[in-house]
Amino acid sequence: NAGVTQTPKFQVLKTGQSMTLQCAQDMNHNSMYWYRQDPGMGLRLIYYSASEGTTDKGEVPNGYNVSRLNKREFSLRLESAAPSQTSVYFCASTGGLLNNEQFFGPGTRLTVL
Amino acid sequence: QKEVEQDPGPLSVPEGAIVSLNCTYSNSAFQYFMWYRQYSRKGPELLMYTYSSGNKEDGRFTAQVDKSSKYISLFIRDSQPSDSATYLCAMSAGSGAGSYQLTFGKGTKLSVIP
Repeated sequence: NAGVTQTPKFQVLKTGQSMTLQCAQDMNHNSMYWYRQDPGMGLRLIYYSASEGTTDKGEVPNGYNVSRLNKREFSLRLESAAPSQTSVYFCASTGGLLNNEQFFGPGTRLTVL
Repeated sequence: QKEVEQDPGPLSVPEGAIVSLNCTYSNSAFQYFMWYRQYSRKGPELLMYTYSSGNKEDGRFTAQVDKSSKYISLFIRDSQPSDSATYLCAMSAGSGAGSYQLTFGKGTKLSVIP
């Protein structure tokens, strides 16, 4: 099992460009999450999907959109990137026996110039 | 006041020392308490999981929860250089089917010096 995979690992964008971060899990989990991690700010929830077909805003959703493509995949889109979106983005999933155990991907390091 | 407070450190200890990491919280609804370990440039991984108050031990790691004081701790005995990482506390009020939103502390960076 690969667990949670994320692509790309690194990305540099110019202000105003768009991109989609991809996330997939092979653990048959129902819930998936997108976080951003910034120095001194900790992990902050951007969006989550409790189950296939549903998505909800987290703490910092502005400037982002998400799509729960199917049970395995949950993508995060930046329509018009801004320097404030420079961050490390983590995808996570949960749904095992311990429903609060979130499994994280390796992260995507995004720089917006 | 943030829901979860955690001293960011950094914390530097000699190999073999006992390490104490702590978080305080303000939300009385939190019932599930977790500690995640995050190595540099990696995603967080679950280290310890505790439900409600009490202690839980796993090898060199002990997690304590005191709901009356809204205070949780992680103790690492006989610390090793491989324990050098950032430790994040996380909490949730969720149970049953549905989503399980976690509220994270900012993390404490630990260095264990050989």
